[in-house]
Amino acid sequence: AQKVTQAQTEISVVEKEDVTLDCVYETRDTTYYLFWYKQPPSGELVFLIRRNSFDEQNEISGRYSWNFQKSTSSFNFTITASQVVDSAVYFCALSGGETSGSRLTFGEGTQLTVNP
Amino acid sequence: EPEVTQTPSHQVTQMGQEVILRCVPISNHLYFYWYRQILGQKVEFLVSFYNNEISEKSEIFDDQFSVERPDGSNFTLKIRSTKLEDSAMYFCASSEGGTGESGELFFGEGSRLTVL
Repeated sequence: AQKVTQAQTEISVVEKEDVTLDCVYETRDTTYYLFWYKQPPSGELVFLIRRNSFDEQNEISGRYSWNFQKSTSSFNFTITASQVVDSAVYFCALSGGETSGSRLTFGEGTQLTVNP
Repeated sequence: EPEVTQTPSHQVTQMGQEVILRCVPISNHLYFYWYRQILGQKVEFLVSFYNNEISEKSEIFDDQFSVERPDGSNFTLKIRSTKLEDSAMYFCASSEGGTGESGELFFGEGSRLTVL
């Protein structure tokens, strides 16, 4: 069975601080995919990134960066110079491979609050 | 930009009533999904649908639930006899391929179901 753990339930920072959201996953599949989604207060789910298990290269997109470490089964997400608009719930998710098909398994989510 | 649309945005129903939630996936997408999110909790997979049949379903998706693609554009989720615990946000999603192929699931804005 697949499992995603986001140990940080809530994080509160002040604008312009850097913040890292942790994600640890469990899977028996050798091929799998990792995702991050943002859920702002309006409720929709916004896709941020997808990585496959063979690509451990870290990725940067503007103020966002992701650190995939297969050795520790982690896929952490860092926001640099946070802004109030970054306030949202962030979900890490896992899918793919031999045992789970196309379903996404989500973590519990981390509520990020960025204060002015 | 193409998007997944869902109706209604909010439905209130009495316990035991049938509910149909509707979704219009992105037109060239082939894979369709329903997820649900009980208030304050994580997003949970319900069912995936491909080639006019269910490709995968979770343990949540029991006999009370059914999905249909009645006319080639809509994708519906029916709950036959609603229970209080069915109160949740229901998200429809679509993707061009399975998560292992095209990668990105596009989510609708959700339909909030309240069962009284």
